Amino acid sequence: EVQLLESGGGLEQPGGSLRLSCAASEFTFSSYGMSWVRQAPGKGLEWVSSISTNGVTTYYADSVKGRFTISRDNSKNTLFLQMNSLRADDTAVYYCAKGGVAARHFHYWGQGTLVTVSS
Amino acid sequence: DIQMTQSPSSVSASLGDRVTITCRASQGISSWLAWYQQKPGKAPKLLIYAASSLQSGVPSRFSGSGSGTDFTLTISRLQPEDFATYYCQQTNSFPLTFGGGTKVEIK
Repeated sequence: EVQLLESGGGLEQPGGSLRLSCAASEFTFSSYGMSWVRQAPGKGLEWVSSISTNGVTTYYADSVKGRFTISRDNSKNTLFLQMNSLRADDTAVYYCAKGGVAARHFHYWGQGTLVTVSS
Repeated sequence: DIQMTQSPSSVSASLGDRVTITCRASQGISSWLAWYQQKPGKAPKLLIYAASSLQSGVPSRFSGSGSGTDFTLTISRLQPEDFATYYCQQTNSFPLTFGGGTKVEIK
């Protein structure tokens, strides 16, 4: 069964940085686009970013463009999200998801990692 | 950006009931729509993609229909495990956008 395991969340001050990781297994990672989707406490789902299979093409929500960078290491079956200039409204559970590029629905989701931005 | 509007925001229903959730796109998206189920404290789960294609392993009591701007998710006979929040998502174009969610509660 597909496994997606996020890590790297935590408490960070406004203006700070965090790097999220998502370790993928039980599928051919390099064959699928990958994405990050977030959910603020008690709120709905918000797409954040997607990346193509080879990492060349990336997409971002306007709310994170210029601050967040998505990347992947196909040799390590790992997806990343570098988050800079963090703001309070970035506080959310961040989910790693399989899909979102060629087929723009999300087949499988990780369990999520909580990012809290607060002083 | 394509706005997705779900209705109702919540619905109370009994076991065995038929439940219908509606999702409207702010512009035509053909059949590029997915539906997800999310239970409290858990990740979302894909139910339907391409408006009406059932994801593998999802019970057949779930069905999706629609095209263009208007879509529906139907649960034919509500089961205890179906009490959850449901989200639609347009898969037509970036930025990818979700509806606000519909919470299905026990009556």
